[in-house]
Amino acid sequence: EVVVTQSPATLSVSPGEGATLSCRASQNVNSYLAWFQQTPGQAPRLLIYGASTRATGIPARFSGSGSGTEFTLTISSLQSEDFAVYYCQQYNNWPLTFGGGTKVEVK
Amino acid sequence: QVQLVESGGALVKPGGSLRLSCAVSGFTFSGYYMSWIRQAPGKGLEWVSYIGSSVTIIHYADSVTGRFTISRDNAKNSLYLQMNSLRAEDTAVYYCARGLFGGNSGPFGYWGQGALVTVSS
Repeated sequence: EVVVTQSPATLSVSPGEGATLSCRASQNVNSYLAWFQQTPGQAPRLLIYGASTRATGIPARFSGSGSGTEFTLTISSLQSEDFAVYYCQQYNNWPLTFGGGTKVEVK
Repeated sequence: QVQLVESGGALVKPGGSLRLSCAVSGFTFSGYYMSWIRQAPGKGLEWVSYIGSSVTIIHYADSVTGRFTISRDNAKNSLYLQMNSLRAEDTAVYYCARGLFGGNSGPFGYWGQGALVTVSS
């Protein structure tokens, strides 16, 4: 099983500042890595797939990078609606696995 | 537009059974893989099961293998999850999700709002 580890668990950021979230896979997953955003009481929303491709309707302030085992989600200037929990997920190997999440909170 | 609506969530006793349904609309259901993903209260996401567009490919997480069965009825635009021998640790919100692209691979592009399953005596 590919273990997916996210860091940090919690990130405190002021509105307007940038944020960098990390995701590490225990094995090579090529670029088959997605990022999801989840706000309280809502279903997750796809942000990034293929490690770096923004999903339809996702603002340009969200960007993804990386391949193999190391991945990054960058939010360039946090807006109020961006404070949420972010999950990465690999879809290269069975079973499909998610990271434990990074909560981005207001500093 | 694409819609996925789960139903069937309930309170059930340990050892009991439950069937979840996911009714879809707004796309050609038979052309996409589908999955179930769950989230225990206050916890992260856990993938549960996958069924390919043509039904011939099915996968399960180890935690549910032998107890849960995924199926689909393309004529009824519906996805199902039959859950048997339920345990307290199966308590979660269960989401159905559709592949972003047609076929059998790719990320989860669309999610339902979830159905709560509570396993407790």
